[in-house]
Amino acid sequence: DAKTTQPTSMDCAEGRAANLPCNHSTISGNEYVYWYRQIHSQGPQYIIHGLKNNETNEMASLIITEDRKSSTLILPHATLRDTAVYYCIVRVNYGGSQGNLIFGKGTKLSVKP
Amino acid sequence: EAQVTQNPRYLITVTGKKLTVTCSQNMNHEYMSWYRQDPGLGLRQIYYSMNVEVTDKGDVPEGYKVSRKEKRNFPLILESPSPNQTSLYFCASRTAHRGLGTEAFFGQGTRLTVV
Repeated sequence: DAKTTQPTSMDCAEGRAANLPCNHSTISGNEYVYWYRQIHSQGPQYIIHGLKNNETNEMASLIITEDRKSSTLILPHATLRDTAVYYCIVRVNYGGSQGNLIFGKGTKLSVKP
Repeated sequence: EAQVTQNPRYLITVTGKKLTVTCSQNMNHEYMSWYRQDPGLGLRQIYYSMNVEVTDKGDVPEGYKVSRKEKRNFPLILESPSPNQTSLYFCASRTAHRGLGTEAFFGQGTRLTVV
């Protein structure tokens, strides 16, 4: 079973920040938080990952709470092309079955004009 | 360009006719895996491979075979396809080592219909 809980769906106005929450209260000390997204029926696309510090890249920012039990993915200026299903996944960052990506239902983000 | 390439992208076949979906990656990744995606069930892992000649079952392996004879290729084999294997299939690869660059890359998908 997926170890994360995400809202089923969210809406966001174009140009505004999209904040996608994820709960992972049973996360282990060596597990990272990964975010992927899937646009329509394309292959999932990696967005960002982190262990305990906040992370930022050209796509998004990841904010992880101090107790690591939850996190938020932030798309700073959402566009219509960001409409997708967003998956929050916890896993170790190396090989082995513990490193398998186990997908939950994700959050369907709809960016509206 | 880093790529995971699946072929074919679309396939319609008949029950019982053996088929192979190919997957190739150009990133020298050790780890490769196959997923199927069905409405309401999400992405489920079929098989994965930690390296050449090392494969293991995922969550839904029944009716599928895989092989890993070369590092870059990880074909998915359906020896006797059935209609319940109609699905969207994705191949993925990543490094198996710790550290940076541990994200997975996914292929564009293969939409299989078994009639």
